Amino acid sequence: EDQVTQSPEALRLQEGESSSLNCSYTVSGLRGLFWYRQDPGKGPEFLFTLYSAGEEKEKERLKATLTKKESFLHITAPKPEDSATYLCAVQAHSEYGNKLVFGAGTILRVKS
Amino acid sequence: KAGVTQTPRYLIKTRGQQVTLSCSPISGHRSVSWYQQTPGQGLQFLFEYFSETQRNKGNFPGRFSGRQFSNSRSEMNVSTLELGDSALYLCASSLAVGEKLFFGSGTQLSVL
Repeated sequence: EDQVTQSPEALRLQEGESSSLNCSYTVSGLRGLFWYRQDPGKGPEFLFTLYSAGEEKEKERLKATLTKKESFLHITAPKPEDSATYLCAVQAHSEYGNKLVFGAGTILRVKS
Repeated sequence: KAGVTQTPRYLIKTRGQQVTLSCSPISGHRSVSWYQQTPGQGLQFLFEYFSETQRNKGNFPGRFSGRQFSNSRSEMNVSTLELGDSALYLCASSLAVGEKLFFGSGTQLSVL
Protein backbone atom coordinates (compact mmCIF):
# COMPACT_ATOMS: atom_id res chain seq x y z
CA GLU A 1 0.00 0.00 0.00
CA ASP A 2 1.23 3.47 -0.89
CA GLN A 3 2.32 5.45 2.18
CA VAL A 4 3.63 8.93 2.90
CA THR A 5 5.17 10.02 6.21
CA GLN A 6 6.09 13.61 6.94
CA SER A 7 8.34 14.90 9.70
CA PRO A 8 8.41 16.80 11.88
CA GLU A 9 4.71 17.23 12.63
CA ALA A 10 5.34 20.84 13.63
CA LEU A 11 8.29 23.17 13.32
CA ARG A 12 8.89 26.57 14.87
CA LEU A 13 11.56 28.76 13.34
CA GLN A 14 12.85 32.25 13.91
CA GLU A 15 12.81 34.49 10.88
CA GLY A 16 15.96 33.78 8.89
CA GLU A 17 16.55 30.37 10.48
CA SER A 18 16.84 27.86 7.63
CA SER A 19 15.57 24.28 7.98
CA SER A 20 14.22 21.27 6.09
CA LEU A 21 11.01 19.29 6.07
CA ASN A 22 11.08 15.58 5.30
CA CYS A 23 8.73 13.38 3.31
CA SER A 24 9.44 9.66 3.16
CA TYR A 25 7.36 7.44 0.95
CA THR A 26 6.71 3.89 -0.15
CA VAL A 27 4.92 3.54 -3.46
CA SER A 28 4.68 0.94 -6.18
CA GLY A 29 5.97 2.87 -9.13
CA LEU A 30 6.35 6.59 -8.45
CA ARG A 31 4.66 8.72 -11.06
CA GLY A 32 5.27 12.00 -9.28
CA LEU A 33 5.84 13.57 -5.87
CA PHE A 34 4.02 16.79 -5.11
CA TRP A 35 4.51 19.51 -2.52
CA TYR A 36 1.61 21.73 -1.55
CA ARG A 37 1.21 24.59 0.88
CA GLN A 38 -2.05 25.03 2.79
CA ASP A 39 -3.09 28.14 4.69
CA PRO A 40 -5.87 28.01 7.31
CA GLY A 41 -9.32 27.98 5.74
CA LYS A 42 -8.00 27.43 2.24
CA GLY A 43 -7.33 24.55 -0.10
CA PRO A 44 -3.79 23.33 -0.79
CA GLU A 45 -1.74 25.44 -3.18
CA PHE A 46 0.62 23.69 -5.59
CA LEU A 47 4.34 24.27 -5.07
CA PHE A 48 6.39 21.61 -6.89
CA THR A 49 6.27 18.33 -8.76
CA LEU A 50 9.30 16.02 -8.78
CA TYR A 51 9.45 12.99 -11.03
CA SER A 52 12.79 11.23 -10.61
CA ALA A 53 15.54 10.76 -8.05
CA GLY A 54 18.09 13.55 -8.18
CA GLU A 55 15.63 16.13 -9.40
CA GLU A 56 15.55 19.53 -7.68
CA LYS A 57 13.20 22.50 -8.04
CA GLU A 58 13.33 25.96 -6.52
CA LYS A 59 10.89 28.77 -5.94
CA GLU A 60 11.87 31.84 -3.95
CA ARG A 61 12.99 30.60 -0.51
CA LEU A 62 11.88 27.00 -1.14
CA LYS A 63 13.84 24.16 -2.71
CA ALA A 64 12.52 20.62 -3.14
CA THR A 65 14.71 17.58 -3.70
CA LEU A 66 13.93 13.92 -4.37
CA THR A 67 15.68 10.63 -3.69
CA LYS A 68 14.38 7.10 -4.22
CA LYS A 69 12.89 6.99 -0.74
CA GLU A 70 12.29 10.55 0.39
CA SER A 71 11.92 14.18 -0.50
CA PHE A 72 13.06 17.28 1.32
CA LEU A 73 11.63 20.75 1.28
CA HIS A 74 14.41 23.16 2.22
CA ILE A 75 13.40 26.59 3.47
CA THR A 76 16.13 29.20 3.33
CA ALA A 77 15.91 32.32 5.49
CA PRO A 78 12.16 31.93 6.10
CA LYS A 79 9.82 34.84 6.69
CA PRO A 80 6.62 34.93 8.76
CA GLU A 81 4.56 34.70 5.56
CA ASP A 82 6.03 31.23 4.98
CA SER A 83 3.99 30.01 7.97
CA ALA A 84 1.60 27.34 6.70
CA THR A 85 1.04 23.59 6.60
CA TYR A 86 3.23 21.91 4.01
CA LEU A 87 1.82 18.76 2.46
CA CYS A 88 3.62 16.08 0.51
CA ALA A 89 1.78 13.68 -1.79
CA VAL A 90 2.74 10.82 -4.09
CA GLN A 91 1.09 9.67 -7.25
CA ALA A 92 1.60 6.06 -8.25
CA HIS A 93 1.52 4.56 -11.70
CA SER A 94 -2.04 3.49 -12.32
CA GLU A 95 -4.25 3.03 -15.32
CA TYR A 96 -6.87 4.74 -13.24
CA GLY A 97 -5.10 8.06 -13.13
CA ASN A 98 -4.87 10.87 -10.73
CA LYS A 99 -5.13 9.57 -7.17
CA LEU A 100 -2.77 11.32 -4.77
CA VAL A 101 -1.79 9.86 -1.39
CA PHE A 102 -1.06 12.67 1.05
CA GLY A 103 1.08 12.80 4.14
CA ALA A 104 -0.27 14.33 7.34
CA GLY A 105 1.67 17.54 6.76
CA THR A 106 4.18 19.67 8.65
CA ILE A 107 2.87 22.78 10.38
CA LEU A 108 5.48 25.51 10.02
CA ARG A 109 5.46 28.64 12.19
CA VAL A 110 7.99 31.37 11.51
CA LYS A 111 8.34 34.06 14.17
CA SER A 112 9.69 37.53 13.50
CA LYS B 1 -8.40 33.10 -14.82
CA ALA B 2 -10.90 32.03 -12.17
CA GLY B 3 -9.83 29.27 -9.81
CA VAL B 4 -11.74 26.23 -8.64
CA THR B 5 -15.05 27.30 -7.11
CA GLN B 6 -16.82 25.27 -4.46
CA THR B 7 -20.27 25.93 -3.07
CA PRO B 8 -21.49 26.23 -0.45
CA ARG B 9 -18.57 27.33 1.71
CA TYR B 10 -20.15 26.13 4.94
CA LEU B 11 -22.91 23.64 5.59
CA ILE B 12 -24.58 22.37 8.74
CA LYS B 13 -26.67 19.20 8.59
CA THR B 14 -28.08 16.69 11.04
CA ARG B 15 -27.51 12.96 11.14
CA GLY B 16 -29.49 11.02 8.58
CA GLN B 17 -29.82 13.89 6.14
CA GLN B 18 -28.17 13.99 2.76
CA VAL B 19 -26.05 16.72 1.21
CA THR B 20 -24.88 17.77 -2.24
CA LEU B 21 -21.70 19.76 -2.77
CA SER B 22 -20.81 21.55 -5.97
CA CYS B 23 -17.54 22.20 -7.75
CA SER B 24 -16.75 24.30 -10.81
CA PRO B 25 -13.27 23.54 -12.17
CA ILE B 26 -10.88 25.95 -13.82
CA SER B 27 -11.97 26.66 -17.37
CA GLY B 28 -10.50 24.05 -19.70
CA HIS B 29 -9.81 21.51 -16.97
CA ARG B 30 -11.53 18.20 -17.62
CA SER B 31 -10.41 16.21 -14.60
CA VAL B 32 -12.07 16.77 -11.22
CA SER B 33 -11.09 15.02 -7.99
CA TRP B 34 -12.65 15.11 -4.54
CA TYR B 35 -10.84 14.79 -1.21
CA GLN B 36 -11.97 14.68 2.40
CA GLN B 37 -9.81 16.46 4.97
CA THR B 38 -10.10 15.86 8.72
CA PRO B 39 -7.68 16.63 11.56
CA GLY B 40 -7.27 12.95 12.35
CA GLN B 41 -7.02 11.41 8.88
CA GLY B 42 -5.63 14.26 6.83
CA LEU B 43 -6.46 14.42 3.13
CA GLN B 44 -8.08 11.30 1.76
CA PHE B 45 -9.02 10.62 -1.85
CA LEU B 46 -12.71 10.16 -2.56
CA PHE B 47 -13.00 9.88 -6.35
CA GLU B 48 -11.93 11.31 -9.66
CA TYR B 49 -13.88 12.11 -12.79
CA PHE B 50 -12.67 12.73 -16.31
CA SER B 51 -14.99 13.47 -19.21
CA GLU B 52 -18.05 12.52 -17.14
CA THR B 53 -16.62 9.11 -16.24
CA GLN B 54 -15.46 8.05 -12.80
CA ARG B 55 -11.82 7.05 -13.25
CA ASN B 56 -10.86 6.14 -9.71
CA LYS B 57 -12.49 5.69 -6.34
CA GLY B 58 -11.10 5.76 -2.82
CA ASN B 59 -12.00 3.60 0.15
CA PHE B 60 -15.21 5.29 1.20
CA PRO B 61 -18.64 3.70 1.71
CA GLY B 62 -21.27 3.79 -1.00
CA ARG B 63 -23.00 6.68 0.79
CA PHE B 64 -20.44 8.88 -0.94
CA SER B 65 -21.12 9.37 -4.62
CA GLY B 66 -20.36 11.87 -7.31
CA ARG B 67 -20.90 12.82 -10.89
CA GLN B 68 -19.50 15.09 -13.54
CA PHE B 69 -21.44 17.02 -16.12
CA SER B 70 -20.59 17.72 -19.76
CA ASN B 71 -19.27 21.18 -18.83
CA SER B 72 -16.85 19.47 -16.37
CA ARG B 73 -18.68 20.79 -13.32
CA SER B 74 -18.95 18.17 -10.62
CA GLU B 75 -21.13 17.36 -7.66
CA MET B 76 -20.65 14.99 -4.78
CA ASN B 77 -23.43 13.60 -2.65
CA VAL B 78 -23.35 12.10 0.80
CA SER B 79 -26.46 10.27 1.92
CA THR B 80 -27.51 9.26 5.43
CA LEU B 81 -25.02 11.58 7.07
CA GLU B 82 -23.06 10.42 10.11
CA LEU B 83 -21.23 12.51 12.71
CA GLY B 84 -17.93 11.24 11.33
CA ASP B 85 -18.67 12.82 7.96
CA SER B 86 -17.92 16.23 9.43
CA ALA B 87 -14.93 17.42 7.43
CA LEU B 88 -13.59 19.85 4.88
CA TYR B 89 -14.44 18.54 1.42
CA LEU B 90 -12.01 19.70 -1.24
CA CYS B 91 -12.43 19.64 -4.96
CA ALA B 92 -9.44 19.83 -7.30
CA SER B 93 -9.19 20.15 -11.05
CA SER B 94 -6.44 19.50 -13.56
CA LEU B 95 -5.97 19.80 -17.29
CA ALA B 96 -5.62 16.08 -17.70
CA VAL B 97 -5.05 12.91 -15.75
CA GLY B 98 -1.69 12.99 -13.97
CA GLU B 99 -1.29 16.75 -14.11
CA LYS B 100 -0.88 18.94 -11.03
CA LEU B 101 -4.05 19.59 -9.09
CA PHE B 102 -5.56 22.98 -8.37
CA PHE B 103 -7.71 22.96 -5.25
CA GLY B 104 -10.73 24.99 -4.30
CA SER B 105 -11.19 26.44 -0.82
CA GLY B 106 -13.47 23.59 0.15
CA THR B 107 -16.87 23.10 1.74
CA GLN B 108 -16.79 22.80 5.53
CA LEU B 109 -19.49 20.28 6.46
CA SER B 110 -20.64 19.94 10.04
CA VAL B 111 -22.96 17.08 10.96
CA LEU B 112 -24.83 17.53 14.25
